[in-house]
Amino acid sequence: LAKTTQPISMDSYEGQEVNITCSHNNIATNDYITWYQQFPSQGPRFIIQGYKTKVTNEVASLFIPADRKSSTLSLPRVSLSDTAVYYCLVGNAGNMLTFGGGTRLMVKP
Amino acid sequence: NAGVTQTPKFQVLKTGQSMTLQCAQDMNHEYMSWYRQDPGMGLRLIHYSVGAGITDQGEVPNGYNVSRSTTEDFPLRLLSAAPSQTSVYFCAGARASNTGELFFGEGSRLTVL
Repeated sequence: LAKTTQPISMDSYEGQEVNITCSHNNIATNDYITWYQQFPSQGPRFIIQGYKTKVTNEVASLFIPADRKSSTLSLPRVSLSDTAVYYCLVGNAGNMLTFGGGTRLMVKP
Repeated sequence: NAGVTQTPKFQVLKTGQSMTLQCAQDMNHEYMSWYRQDPGMGLRLIHYSVGAGITDQGEVPNGYNVSRSTTEDFPLRLLSAAPSQTSVYFCAGARASNTGELFFGEGSRLTVL
């Protein structure tokens, strides 16, 4: 079971790029890395997923080094509405999926 | 598709009462799970299932039971409610082939007095 470690909180300003790193030293060969966003009183929402190298979609990029022991979520040009908690989850749907503590991102004007 | 549907959205119980939180999905999710989230905290896995007839314990299973008689439904039973079970409960599902991308319900807010 891959345990994840993230910074507890981060602050940024509107228009900046934000990078949130997650450590997962004991990731298994068949595990994927998935990032979620959660707003207060809502369930987590999928942002991006990857296995290795780099993945990009319309809202974020995910960078995964060759050893896969960490990953970095990159949010370009954040806005106030990106203020949320971001979770890194490592695993696959054949096993139990547990969340770490998450990173509380505060975007300031 | 309705996605992942949880009922009820709000519930108040007295200590010692029992109840069932319902979770239904129409997305052909083999994997289903229940999490609880206490105020200001992360999500903790209670129970999960990788298919009909198969359930297993998560991180915090004590005081809860689950069953998976059909692929679509995954109810969570509180056997004898305690104030420590006051929390928001989320049901989530995933396709086994989906590499772990979870789809969450809207949550059920439970208060135990």
